[in-house]
Amino acid sequence: RKEVEQDPGPFNVPEGATVAFNCTYSNSASQSFFWYRQDCRKEPKLLMSVYSSGNEDGRFTAQLNRASQYISLLIRDSKLSDSATYLCVVSSASKIIFGSGTRLSIRP
Amino acid sequence: ETGVTQSPTHLIKTRGQQVTLRCSSQSGHNTVSWYQQALGQGPQFIFQYYREEENGRGNFPPRFSGLQFPNYSSELNVNALELDDSALYLCASTLGGTMNTEAFFGQGTRLTVV
Repeated sequence: RKEVEQDPGPFNVPEGATVAFNCTYSNSASQSFFWYRQDCRKEPKLLMSVYSSGNEDGRFTAQLNRASQYISLLIRDSKLSDSATYLCVVSSASKIIFGSGTRLSIRP
Repeated sequence: ETGVTQSPTHLIKTRGQQVTLRCSSQSGHNTVSWYQQALGQGPQFIFQYYREEENGRGNFPPRFSGLQFPNYSSELNVNALELDDSALYLCASTLGGTMNTEAFFGQGTRLTVV
């Protein structure tokens, strides 16, 4: 079993739709959680950190469920510019684990 | 731009050779981590350097080694290259030696082993 698992997609949704991604992790000692965005042939960039209380940044909402060991990302009112691969990232004291990424494609 | 620079941008090597990749961290950042990203996969953590010492390592064999210099720049060395080492190699810089803060990535070095 992979340490961090994501649905690879691709998700193909119309502009304006709401889309949700989930990610599960296996190490209960994990300390920090992030969502990164990676555009085609570019480096990953931080989208948002994920906190136990849940957090929101504009159209993006991230949630963490430590008991069930999963994190989620919700994108509301999706834009064409949201098309990218979304990477779930989980870190512990000694290593950082990226998921394989979920590809999102927004169509006009 | 993140301020993290990597060189070279592209490289072709022959199986069995050795390669050195370089990374300059963002100004003020004292921690550098390295990742291998195969096509269609997420980045795989190789190791992290903080204050010139390795302070975390992923599941990579010893032929993957690194250095960090007093100015916080870093090198990734790979010996005895294998075809499967072909990938995008990313470095990222952070502040503070932990793995719990935002990482700023360079644009990567694309290594092809033939």
